[in-house]
Order: sequence, then C-alpha cells, then structure tokens
Amino acid sequence: KDQVFQPSTVASSEGAVVEIFCNHSVSNAYNFFWYLHFPGCAPRLLVKGSKPSQQGRYNMTYERFSSSLLILQVREADAAVYYCGCSGAGSYQLTFGKGTKLSVIP
Amino acid sequence: DAGVIQSPRHEVTEMGQEVTLRCKPISGHDYLFWYRQTMMRGLELLIYFNNNVPIDDSGMPEDRFSAKMPNASFSTLKIQPSEPRDSAVYFCASSFRDWFGTEAFFGQGTRLTVV
Repeated sequence: KDQVFQPSTVASSEGAVVEIFCNHSVSNAYNFFWYLHFPGCAPRLLVKGSKPSQQGRYNMTYERFSSSLLILQVREADAAVYYCGCSGAGSYQLTFGKGTKLSVIP
Repeated sequence: DAGVIQSPRHEVTEMGQEVTLRCKPISGHDYLFWYRQTMMRGLELLIYFNNNVPIDDSGMPEDRFSAKMPNASFSTLKIQPSEPRDSAVYFCASSFRDWFGTEAFFGQGTRLTVV
C-alpha cells in the first residue's frame, strides 16, 4: 500500500534548526511536497521538488525515497503541523503522511 | 482569485442525518481533491476528479460517502447517513496540470461534528 511516513511530533528550542524527516513507499513517486497547517486555516505549500530546494527559511533535502524539511532559526510562531506529501510520474494524486506536530520551546 | 472556497466552515449534525459539504475550486484548475483530516490518519485522500470526472474514489470509506462535480466550478461531498466516526475536518483542494506534478491548493476546510 502507498504510504508516507513522518514522525508524529518534533520539539525544538527557539532559534535552532529543526529537521522533520519523511520517507515513503508510494509507487513511482519522486516529487516531495511540504505543507504547513495551522488549525482552522488552509494547509499551505512551503517547498516542493525532486531535488534539494529552498524557500526562505525552509530547506528541503531530497533522496529518491526520503526527504527532510529543515526550518532555519525556528520561532514560536512556527509551531504547527507539517505534512509531507509525495506524487509520482504522470500522477496528479498527492499522498500525505499523518503530519508532524512541531513544538517550539522559548 | 479568492482561492478554494469551502462551505460551511463548521457543521454539527445528528447521527443519521444527511450532510453535504461544498467546494468551489480555483478557476482554471482541472483537478479537484477531497481529503479528510483526523488525528489518527492525518490527511487521507477520499476522491479526486479531473475535468469533472471522478478518477479515483478508492479512498472513499463506505457507500455512505458520495461525491459529485457537476461542473468545473463546483463539487459536493455527501454523507448519508452520517455517523459519529465521520467527525473530522474535510478539505477540498484543486490543482492544474503541469509537467512537474501537482501542487494542491487547499480550502480552509469544513469541520464536521456528528453527535
């Protein structure tokens, strides 16, 4: 069965670099998408790609079956749920993990 | 564009009642997705459409769930009859075809509570 795996929780101190890891068993998937979700709001795309990518404080590492989201200089306002998603060649279906809840310690 | 619009934002209903969730995708997008979010399972894909045609409904949990897309600007997800275990946040998302692969744009979700 196609699945995406990510830790349920991650905690970090403010100002540190946080890493959230993701791997998958999705057939033919090679694109990763990282979304940020605050309760009550629409999930928002942070970074995506089939190679290492960066958008502001968000870096994405890339391997064929895994990716990490790195958040630089993490702040209390970054406390939210982060979803990792995968899609494959010719597929317009995004398969997501269960989400990682980030806690930031001031 | 206003983005993906979902209604209602919150729905509370009694067990056994019919529930209809609505979605207006971003204009020009040819893919529409319905997801269900729960603590246990995260974001689960229920069904998706391409050019108003259902492509994959394998994620629909039971026959009580149905979805339609009568035109490019409107879709519904219906639960009949509803049960307490259907309580969740339901997201609609839309995207457009490009060479890279789809980036889904999400609505704000409908929080459904079945009592």
